[in-house]
Amino acid sequence: QKEVEQNSGPLSVPEGAIASLNCTYSDRVSQSFFWYRQYSGKSPELIMSIYSNGDKEDGRFTAQLNKASQYVSLLIRDSQPSDSATYLCAVNPDYGGATNKLIFGTGTLLAVQP
Amino acid sequence: KAGVTQTPRYLIKTRGQQVTLSCSPISGHRSVSWYQQTPGQGLQFLFEYFSETQRNKGNFPGRFSGRQFSNSRSEMNVSTLELGDSALYLCASSLGRDKYNEQFFGPGTRLTVL
Repeated sequence: QKEVEQNSGPLSVPEGAIASLNCTYSDRVSQSFFWYRQYSGKSPELIMSIYSNGDKEDGRFTAQLNKASQYVSLLIRDSQPSDSATYLCAVNPDYGGATNKLIFGTGTLLAVQP
Repeated sequence: KAGVTQTPRYLIKTRGQQVTLSCSPISGHRSVSWYQQTPGQGLQFLFEYFSETQRNKGNFPGRFSGRQFSNSRSEMNVSTLELGDSALYLCASSLGRDKYNEQFFGPGTRLTVL
């Protein structure tokens, strides 16, 4: 079982719609979760971090965390063609000590249709 | 504030050679982590440095090594290059070694091994 799983997509949504990106993780002790956006040929760019159960909003982005279900999601409201990119879910496994090691999912390709 | 810088941006080497990549973190950041990104394996953690010490290492052969200097700049070295080492090598910078630390990626070094 992969440690961090994402649907590879592509997820196609019309402009102005809500895009919903999902991620599950296998290590129950994980405490911190991150969403990165990566445009083709570029490096990952941090969008959101979330550490507590519930929702965290930042502009058009909302991250949702459910530790009991080991599930984290990213909602993008009013999707724009410029949001078309690969979205990477990353988890800090926190193997009992301080670490910056992140485990990444394979990413979901989002395509926003004008 | 300047972001993470990596040099060189592109590199072409032949099998058996060695290569050194450099990373300068965001000013004030003391932790540097390295990742390898390939189409087949995605983003994989190589190692993490903090206060000039390697704190964590991923599942890569000993041909991959690194170091960190007193100014937090980091280098990684790959010896006896193999075709499979062709990848985007990413450096990520963070303030410290807390699992809640956000990590910010540099533009990457694209290594091609012929």
